[in-house]
This record gives sequence, structure tokens and C-alpha cells, in this order.
Amino acid sequence: DAGVIQSPRHEVTEMGQEVTLRCKPISGHNSLFWYRQTMMRGLELLIYFNNNVPIDDSGMPEDRFSAKMPNASFSTLKIQPSEPRDSAVYFCASNPRIAENTGELFFGEGSRLTVL
Amino acid sequence: QQQVKQSPQSLIVQKGGIPIINCAYENTAFDYFPWYQQFPGKGPALLIAIRPDVSEKKEGRFTISFNKSAKQFSLHIMDSQPGDSATYFCAASRSDYKLSFGAGTTVTVRA
Repeated sequence: DAGVIQSPRHEVTEMGQEVTLRCKPISGHNSLFWYRQTMMRGLELLIYFNNNVPIDDSGMPEDRFSAKMPNASFSTLKIQPSEPRDSAVYFCASNPRIAENTGELFFGEGSRLTVL
Repeated sequence: QQQVKQSPQSLIVQKGGIPIINCAYENTAFDYFPWYQQFPGKGPALLIAIRPDVSEKKEGRFTISFNKSAKQFSLHIMDSQPGDSATYFCAASRSDYKLSFGAGTTVTVRA
């Protein structure tokens, strides 16, 4: 299995621009999570989906952030407009057995976002 | 506000030493406690996990010790190797499946 695939790996943009991060979870996994990692705040859960339905988006910082999962094999995280404080590494993770609460998340390699 | 407090922030040991990372939590609803390992430029990967009905779990050179009454758990890396140099995160989850991560500990094992 190829694992969780994220794109782009690196993104540099200017303040005010729209940013779209993409994720392909592991085939057969029914839950998908978006995390943000910064030195100051560590790993923060932004949103998670179960069977393509958003279950909890309480971690989404503000209305500038939105996430979608149109099908079981694709999700996007969009920031519009972007701000310098959004600079971070954004991780997508999937889970095969959420009903068992294993906590076993499979992470992608992340998308490093720099907003100038 | 972090629900899982992790210490130390970083530590350095010689090859063969035993780095120990400690975590504490308050929420007694947590019932699953995994540890993740992260190498530079990579995503975190599950290393080992424990449930509160067990006081200790070993997988290879990695051992989790769990103290339910104190609401603390720790990771020991036995006979540490330079290849173990990474950032380690403790975490906790409850029935809503949301993982709360500690702040991370950067471990450096010197040859």
C-alpha cells in the first residue's frame, strides 16, 4: 500500500492567496483526520471525517479554513485567504478501525505551508 | 490547553542509554494511550500503545509503563541506538476517537 498521500509537499504563497492541500487516504480506511503541527502549539486536530462525513470540526481555527471529503479516496483542506500565522506543516491521517478506538492513525508526510 | 502534558522537551543520551519520557493526563475518560515516533520531514508513526487495564507493555526495545492512579505513563527506550533519534509524542484518546497529543520530546542518541 502506498500509504497516505499528500500534496503539495511544500507550498510557499503570499498573504491573501488561496491555498488548497490535498490528501488521499489509505484504501479501505473509513476515517480521515487533518492535523496542523507548529513549534508553538504542537499537533492540533483540525477536523475529522468518518465515512466521508465531517464529525468534528471544532479544531478549525476560523472561517478561513474549510475541509471537504467528496469521496472515500480524496479530501481537501482549503485556506482562503491565507495569513502568515497559518504557516505550519499540515498532516492528513487515516484510520482503519475507528469503531475500536485504537488511536492507530496512519499519517502522510505532510504539506509544509509558508505564507509570506 | 494541552490535555496531555509531556516532559522533558528534549534529552540527549549515549548509545546504550535508556531515555525516559513522561506524560501526565487529567481526563479520566481517556482509555487508549499510544506513542508516536516522528523523524524529520516525515509524519508521526505509531510506535506502541497501551490501555489502562495494563501496567506495562513491551515491544522490542520500547516499554510503556502506566500508572492509572497517578494518571501518568512513560516510555523507556532500552539499549538506545543512534537510529532511535527522533521526536516522540505521547497521546491519549477516548470514545470519541480524538487523539490529544503531548508537546513532543526530541531524543538524541549519540554514538
